[in-house]
Amino acid sequence: AQSVTQLDSHVSVSEGTPVLLRCNYSSSYSPSLFWYVQHPNKGLQLLLKYTSAATLVKGINGFEAEFKKSETSFHLTKPSAHMSDAAEYFCVVSVGPNFNKFYFGSGTKLNVKP
Amino acid sequence: SQTIHQWPATLVQPVGSPLSLECTVEGTSNPNLYWYRQAAGRGLQLLFYSVGIGQISSEVPQNLSASRPQDRQFILSSKKLLLSDSGFYLCASLRKTGYTFGSGTRLTVV
Repeated sequence: AQSVTQLDSHVSVSEGTPVLLRCNYSSSYSPSLFWYVQHPNKGLQLLLKYTSAATLVKGINGFEAEFKKSETSFHLTKPSAHMSDAAEYFCVVSVGPNFNKFYFGSGTKLNVKP
Repeated sequence: SQTIHQWPATLVQPVGSPLSLECTVEGTSNPNLYWYRQAAGRGLQLLFYSVGIGQISSEVPQNLSASRPQDRQFILSSKKLLLSDSGFYLCASLRKTGYTFGSGTRLTVV
């Protein structure tokens, strides 16, 4: 069975400080892992994805995530938060013969304080 | 590149009324199409997926149904809405280049 757990429903950071959004997964198969961001009234946007290549994945807008199989984690980080990073972030596991099924975490709302 | 049009953006419907949410895809052909729902405090849950015209798979039993009358059209329906149908509904398309999501419909059943 597949599942994704985002450990924090809300994270609040000050502008210019590091961001850490935590994600743990459970999968019966070798998964692909994704982070998506959703800004208010906009569609989901792909930040980055892990597909069994390098374990440290760099994405857009300065975000990166590290796949740690031993810890079944895929935490999202950014060295310095911007006000524009305030949004909801989803960790996603994709499985299936064509990776055609997605399982979403419950989401983490990131608040960035000035 | 793929673009997904999903409407309406918000919808308030009374209990017992019918529902029809439409999703159309541009910029690709023969995509896999998906309907997801996010209920309050929960992650996105896969409701239906379709690998072709007229082919619908349901992931969870519910008060909803889906149809795919054309290659790039995916419709989510209900004959009688329940309060528990409230939530945020997302249409998604999968091609070799990856997933594309619509902007979603926020449905409130009152």
